[in-house]
Amino acid sequence: DIQMTQSPHSLSASLGETVSIECLASEGISNYLAWYQQKPGKSPQLLIYYASSLQDGVPSRFSGSGSGTQYSLKISNMQPEDEGVYYCQQGYKYPWTFGGGTKLELK
Amino acid sequence: EVQLVESGGSLVQPGGSLKLSCVASGFTFSNYWMDWVRQTPGKSLEWIGEINTDGSKTNYAPSIKDRFTISRDNAKSTLYLQMSNVKSDDTAIYYCTRIRVLTGDYWGQGVMVTVSS
Repeated sequence: DIQMTQSPHSLSASLGETVSIECLASEGISNYLAWYQQKPGKSPQLLIYYASSLQDGVPSRFSGSGSGTQYSLKISNMQPEDEGVYYCQQGYKYPWTFGGGTKLELK
Repeated sequence: EVQLVESGGSLVQPGGSLKLSCVASGFTFSNYWMDWVRQTPGKSLEWIGEINTDGSKTNYAPSIKDRFTISRDNAKSTLYLQMSNVKSDDTAIYYCTRIRVLTGDYWGQGVMVTVSS
């Protein structure tokens, strides 16, 4: 199985700050990488697909980049509603696998 | 508006069986692959498996293969997950997801399955 390693495990950011979350795949996944946000008691919501494509309705302060085995999610201008847990997921090879999650809090 | 509503979760004994349902609305269900994903309490997400548009092809995670079966009824816009020989490790919230570009673009609210004697 492809292992997805996220870092950091948790972080806190001030209002308006820019943060980045990294996701490392154990082998190349050809940009088949998605990012999700999950808030407490809610289901995950898709933010980014195919590494850098923004899902409809997601604010443009979210952006994704990367290639090969290394990918990142950038959140510009941190807002209170951005608090939550972020997951990466590869859709390149079965079984699809998720990262362990990164908890983002407002400082 | 796209909606996915799961049901059927409950407390089940180890070795028992359970069938989850996911009713879809707001889109043409028969045009989309559908997946099941689970989340253990306080932990990350685990992909269970998927089914193609007409139900003729399925893929499963090795951890549940031969115990779980995914099916669908396009006439009822409903996705199913038949769980058998359940174990304590199967305790989780189960989500159905609509698949687009190899990604779950919409998720249901989830349903809780607890395996315990």
